[in-house]
Amino acid sequence: GNSVTQMEGPVTLSEEAFLTINCTYTATGYPSLFWYVQYPGEGLQLLLKATKADDKGSNKGFEATYRKETTSFHLEKGSVQVSDSAVYFCALKGRDDKIIFGKGTRLHILP
Amino acid sequence: EPEVTQTPSHQVTQMGQEVILRCVPISNHLYFYWYRQILGQKVEFLVSFYNNEISEKSEIFDDQFSVERPDGSNFTLKIRSTKLEDSAMYFCASQTSGVLGEKLFFGSGTQLSVL
Repeated sequence: GNSVTQMEGPVTLSEEAFLTINCTYTATGYPSLFWYVQYPGEGLQLLLKATKADDKGSNKGFEATYRKETTSFHLEKGSVQVSDSAVYFCALKGRDDKIIFGKGTRLHILP
Repeated sequence: EPEVTQTPSHQVTQMGQEVILRCVPISNHLYFYWYRQILGQKVEFLVSFYNNEISEKSEIFDDQFSVERPDGSNFTLKIRSTKLEDSAMYFCASQTSGVLGEKLFFGSGTQLSVL
């Protein structure tokens, strides 16, 4: 079945550091890929998405590129801020009705 | 931006009791979902609901679970006889359509604690 694997957290960085959170997936066919973010005390929010190979999703300075050859969708940001501290979930959606999530990666940004 | 609302934010119950978790999806959405997240584990799909019936459910969603859209605005998850292992954060979500790649809107969750 479909699955998502993302790097274990927590990830702790200083403000303005470069961020990468790795995500790889296993799926049949051509799924859509997502990054969701959960800020403290809030629900999951869509951060960015890509629906086909080589698409790049971007939002709020975050980017992720759908790489079919490596089955990856790594999240990157060039310069993180304290306000980026949250839990980040990689997810995929195949042809059924389910979105499959990774375990989540907690990100702490130090001022 | 429109929101999915969930109540209560935290529910404490005794093992064996029934609980109902409530959700108000976004008004023009047609597809509804429940997910849960046990502490420290991944967010897991429970069930999807469309046109007043379940369209997909996971192996977690056994006979103890049921969903209902009683009045056209609420979408509820009922656990008939709670077990300790049902303790988790339960998220409701909704979507305009089931189109692949479309954004899912999540509520802020109900933390269920079974004692």
